[in-house]
Amino acid sequence: TQLLEQSPQFLSIQEGENLTVYCNSSSVFSSLQWYRQEPGEGPVLLVTVVTGGEVKKLKRLTFQFGDARKDSSLHITAAQPGDTGLYLCAGARSSNTGKLIFGQGTTLQVKP
Amino acid sequence: NAGVTQTPKFRVLKTGQSMTLLCAQDMNHEYMYWYRQDPGMGLRLIHYSVGEGTTAKGEVPDGYNVSRLKKQNFLLGLESAAPSQTSVYFCASSPLGGGAGANVLTFGAGSRLTVL
Repeated sequence: TQLLEQSPQFLSIQEGENLTVYCNSSSVFSSLQWYRQEPGEGPVLLVTVVTGGEVKKLKRLTFQFGDARKDSSLHITAAQPGDTGLYLCAGARSSNTGKLIFGQGTTLQVKP
Repeated sequence: NAGVTQTPKFRVLKTGQSMTLLCAQDMNHEYMYWYRQDPGMGLRLIHYSVGEGTTAKGEVPDGYNVSRLKKQNFLLGLESAAPSQTSVYFCASSPLGGGAGANVLTFGAGSRLTVL
């Protein structure tokens, strides 16, 4: 049973387009993180959201945590080829164990 | 500062062979984890450790064993490899403490294992 459902799983867009990736669950998380992974490397943390309704921005990336802390979204404005990669959401069920539940990932390809 | 280092990066085994993956971190992190990554399934937790000398089962522990004899090292063992264990294995570590910071994982570059 996948506790965190990511959609879409694959996305291929042209440079300059906007996109949104969703991460949904029926479970409540104490925090939710977004990671980006490039081929041959491990995931690298982009952001952590903790409070329901929280919005964080990282340049052209906007992250939102749902009010009920069950879902999150990642929006990229004016995507660039450098944004290409695998995006993973991960939820923490408690605040101090470090055990994360990962979504399946979204593979993003941005064509020049 | 190397962060999290995994060895080996690649390995090919025959069914039934044994091997050990080594993970080393130099950040003095208390927690360490072993995940496996398979296409379309994200990362799944195999085993984890909340401190030197401790280990605990994760989501998919069967067929694997771990040891944490030193704080900086976390070993993942396969006693009798099976084709279903073909995967990319990632080690990660995180600091002790409550709040969001405790859940921030630093990952190694991965170890690709193929079992024939």
